[in-house]
Amino acid sequence: DVKVTQSSRYLVKRTGEKVFLECVQDMDHENMFWYRQDPGLGLRLIYFSYDVKMKEKGDIPEGYSVSREKKERFSLILESASTNQTSMYLCASSLSEPGLDWGNEQYFGPGTRLTVT
Amino acid sequence: GQNIDQPTEMTATEGAIVQINCTYQTSGFNGLFWYQQHAGEAPTFLSYNVLDGLEEKGRFSSFLSRSKGYSYLLLKELQMKDSASYLCAVRDPHASGGSYIPTFGRGTSLIVHP
Repeated sequence: DVKVTQSSRYLVKRTGEKVFLECVQDMDHENMFWYRQDPGLGLRLIYFSYDVKMKEKGDIPEGYSVSREKKERFSLILESASTNQTSMYLCASSLSEPGLDWGNEQYFGPGTRLTVT
Repeated sequence: GQNIDQPTEMTATEGAIVQINCTYQTSGFNGLFWYQQHAGEAPTFLSYNVLDGLEEKGRFSSFLSRSKGYSYLLLKELQMKDSASYLCAVRDPHASGGSYIPTFGRGTSLIVHP
């Protein structure tokens, strides 16, 4: 069974702290993604990676960085957490290429609800 | 740019049929996805359309018209457990990241009542 796991379901951090969110997938997928989800705003892409050590900025990368040292693991880093980064963070993975009969749909982890105080 | 529109909220009765619409305006098109997300849980994949027409999967069907920039998700024989958010996502090869990265609409919250 397909599985994406995230290191924490709930996390509370103080303003200015460095925060690491870890994501691991066991499907040998090339693509991995980090999103944040806020009420009324939907899912917004922070960063994605299409291969080990490769990363690309999404729509809202400011205040975040990522690391992908191994194919199965994609980390999101908040260098100095701020209150406006309080959100639900979702990791996802997918195959690299769509085919005629499949769309390389994304598989999501359970999410990490981060509160920055 | 990209614009994906879905109604914010819909309500329906158990046993009924409901249609959730999604319209999109993108530079290009390379596939449309529907996901279901229960409160507090991760989105899960429901359907994928890349060609015009209807794709049926049990109680759920998804329709696409590329010329109209329009899709809908049809849920039949509604059950209470279908209460969830339904997310439409469009893949645009001209967007940042190219054809691999879908852009999500804000989701439609469906409430099914007895």
